[in-house]
Amino acid sequence: NAGVMQNPRHLVRRRGQEARLRCSPMKGHSHVYWYRQLPEEGLKFMVYLQKENIIDESGMPKERFSAEFPKEGPSILRIQQVVRGDSAAYFCASSPQGQAGDTEAFFGQGTRLTVV
Amino acid sequence: RKEVEQDPGPFNVPEGATVAFNCTYSNSASQSFFWYRQDCRKEPKLLMSVYSSGNEDGRFTAQLNRASQYISLLIRDSKLSDSATYLCVVPNQAGTALIFGKGTTLSVSS
Repeated sequence: NAGVMQNPRHLVRRRGQEARLRCSPMKGHSHVYWYRQLPEEGLKFMVYLQKENIIDESGMPKERFSAEFPKEGPSILRIQQVVRGDSAAYFCASSPQGQAGDTEAFFGQGTRLTVV
Repeated sequence: RKEVEQDPGPFNVPEGATVAFNCTYSNSASQSFFWYRQDCRKEPKLLMSVYSSGNEDGRFTAQLNRASQYISLLIRDSKLSDSATYLCVVPNQAGTALIFGKGTTLSVSS
């Protein structure tokens, strides 16, 4: 049973370009969480999605950031017109149940985004 | 009070030492708590879940004080391989996210 798969592992973008980060949850998991970790900082919650639904996006910046989890395929975190401050590690986690805390969340290895 | 607050660290201890980390949380309704471990530039991994007053797993003991909204993690007989950042994690009030503390860094030396 493969774990949470994120790709790419490393992504370099120039300022103003778009970044697309992909996350395939563990088999049987239909709940996905995205977190951002700035250098020397803790993990910050961004968004919680179920298949075809955004449940909680309270941690997402209001502009340039969007997320989706389609019926088929991976969850996508999209950052438009990237700026240097978007440089961070972006982690995806999945769980089999929706109530955070009822069960373990499994994390992917993360995507390290560098904006130059 | 912040949602999850931890000792800032770092903790530098010799092998074999006992070390304790503290964490306070604001969500008084939370029924579950977690300690995750994160190695440098790696993903967080679950170390221990706490659903009642505490939990013990080998050299690791987690204790919960609901009245004071306080969780602790005790590591006995520290190993070099215990060097990592330890993250205190509590669900948010809506149950839609796990909220992470900033972490406490532990460095075990020989």
